[in-house]
Amino acid sequence: ETGVTQTPRHLVMGMTNKKSLKCEQHLGHNAMYWYKQSAKKPLELMFVYNFKEQTENNSVPSRFSPECPNSSHLFLHLHTLQPEDSALYLCASSHLGGVEQYFGPGTRLTVT
Amino acid sequence: TQLLEQSPQFLSIQEGENLTVYCNSSSVFSSLQWYRQEPGEGPVLLVTVVTGGEVKKLKRLTFQFGDARKDSSLHITAAQPGDTGLYLCAERSGAQKLVFGQGTRLTINP
Repeated sequence: ETGVTQTPRHLVMGMTNKKSLKCEQHLGHNAMYWYKQSAKKPLELMFVYNFKEQTENNSVPSRFSPECPNSSHLFLHLHTLQPEDSALYLCASSHLGGVEQYFGPGTRLTVT
Repeated sequence: TQLLEQSPQFLSIQEGENLTVYCNSSSVFSSLQWYRQEPGEGPVLLVTVVTGGEVKKLKRLTFQFGDARKDSSLHITAAQPGDTGLYLCAERSGAQKLVFGQGTRLTINP
């Protein structure tokens, strides 16, 4: 595997379900990011992790819970989501302080 | 938070035509990036511009940064179907935070 991978690519879940999104980067980066891309709004930063430590939470509701066990892996745990949370969730990585972020292909999430 | 406005929102043209899309802000950009996102994929960085008046070329794509660093344009010459995608501009807001525009969705018809 190369670059940034995300699984699953598609996910349909009910509002009472609990699911997790996974991201893995194979680029030797030490910063990782979660973004949300919905149809009606620009791509929005959700969380930033540097060396496994969360450094940014962009006022994200607590029903989204990130986890970064090491510099290569990032998870987004989902519970009690709402239909308006349906979106493309993108993971990205970069060198710490680097100007370039490398994005994964995203997980298309549908909440029913 | 700075707002980036991209225009047009949608553009559909024939193969071989030229086009220009724009990214504007009311504030000065520290630096500006252009990304292309193809269906089913994440955004891919095309270029970063930093200096006012800067022009960068990437094959048939020409990126220009306004002298006042408040606007940028992307010009594509002789568009091809492979240029189809969502073109996003983004500005660095803080050390690691990118603020994106809504994007221009470009369709090149064969």
